[in-house]
Amino acid sequence: KAGVTQTPRYLIKTRGQQVTLSCSPISGHRSVSWYQQTPGQGLQFLFEYFSETQRNKGNFPGRFSGRQFSNSRSEMNVSTLELGDSALYLCASSLASGSSGETQYFGPGTRLLVL
Amino acid sequence: LAKTTQPISMDSYEGQEVNITCSHNNIATNDYITWYQQFPSQGPRFIIQGYKTKVTNEVASLFIPADRKSSTLSLPRVSLSDTAVYYCLVGDPSSNFGNEKLTFGTGTRLTIIP
Repeated sequence: KAGVTQTPRYLIKTRGQQVTLSCSPISGHRSVSWYQQTPGQGLQFLFEYFSETQRNKGNFPGRFSGRQFSNSRSEMNVSTLELGDSALYLCASSLASGSSGETQYFGPGTRLLVL
Repeated sequence: LAKTTQPISMDSYEGQEVNITCSHNNIATNDYITWYQQFPSQGPRFIIQGYKTKVTNEVASLFIPADRKSSTLSLPRVSLSDTAVYYCLVGDPSSNFGNEKLTFGTGTRLTIIP
């Protein structure tokens, strides 16, 4: 069974631009979560989608948004990029509830650099 | 979500057994304990999960005392490739509320010395 895939793997943008990241979960998994990881803040939860609905959201500004499609694939969008948005963005999928007790399977991440 | 506390870093020599302890004083009845491993520039990888007593798989053991207020991840005979950050999480796998502002915390940075 293929793992979680994320595209692109690397991205360079300039301040003010917007970016869209894509995540394909493991086949059969319905929950997709997004995380931002920076050296200073560690792994921080962005939001979680289940059956095309955002179920939970972390403490990030409205510039960060996402969506999930009927095939469970998910996209994350960041508008008006800031230097501080440079980070590794990770996507994780889980089978059903997506709860903190359920095993999550992470993708390789997308490394975003904002110049 | 139950808050977890882990040491920030640990060092160990190759071939030794490493034990990383996580405190979770307010763990709930339905919560399970899960450990992840993360290498630089990669996503975290599931290592082991348990509810009580001891769980063992091909890579690690997880010891959970009766009061479940802490847990210890045990890595037998570590090698250089075990150098990574290890995260401890607690949560209810049956919850229908999804990842309620889930945070992995800072984890424990384990460095294996040759």
